[in-house]
Amino acid sequence: GAGVSQSPSNKVTEKGKDVELRCDPISGHTALYWYRQSLGQGLEFLIYFQGNSAPDKSGLPSDRFSAERTGGSVSTLTIQRTQQEDSAVYLCASSLSPGNLWTQYFGPGTRLLVL
Amino acid sequence: EDKVVQSPLSLVVHEGDTVTLNCSYEVTNFRSLLWYKQEKKAPTFLFMLTSSGIEKKSGRLSSILDKKELFSILNITATQTGDSAVYLCAVEVAGGTSYGKLTFGQGTILTVHP
Repeated sequence: GAGVSQSPSNKVTEKGKDVELRCDPISGHTALYWYRQSLGQGLEFLIYFQGNSAPDKSGLPSDRFSAERTGGSVSTLTIQRTQQEDSAVYLCASSLSPGNLWTQYFGPGTRLLVL
Repeated sequence: EDKVVQSPLSLVVHEGDTVTLNCSYEVTNFRSLLWYKQEKKAPTFLFMLTSSGIEKKSGRLSSILDKKELFSILNITATQTGDSAVYLCAVEVAGGTSYGKLTFGQGTILTVHP
């Protein structure tokens, strides 16, 4: 596919469980971003990758959140011991490089519901 | 703390009306301001503004940035029902490891009635 893809599209989990969210960026895009959008809130930056390294992890809300990127492509966002306040839509985006934000495309998101 | 504020939070108009959406910001090391349209889930890019006073246009949409007063506006003329969406404003800050990091406003929900 030509766009950013994310999986799963929806995830329902019980409080305390771990979840993994996956993002497949556009081929050739070196920069990858994770955001989250809680109900009624704007998008909140979580982390971004340049290649496989994450120069900026400042948006991760707690140490229960981690992310990795392998092969300069697929990224996984992991939330351990989920809490109800983690319920949100998690959006991934990629761009050719961090500065080229006019080339940034968003994926369709993963809607996470923690019961 | 970097802050981006959009107004109004919601707006209801009829087809053919012209709307103006506002975005003000307080950030350190401003690099650019971006506007997105969000329908369903994925935001789509509209404009990127870096210089004051230069209007960007795309069809019925236009946007301008005022770096002295720290705000931007997005205009939509002759609105259509397909313009109904959430419009997001975001500011990119420069420097250090924050390259490409965006701070978003809370969005303006635009509803266009036939």
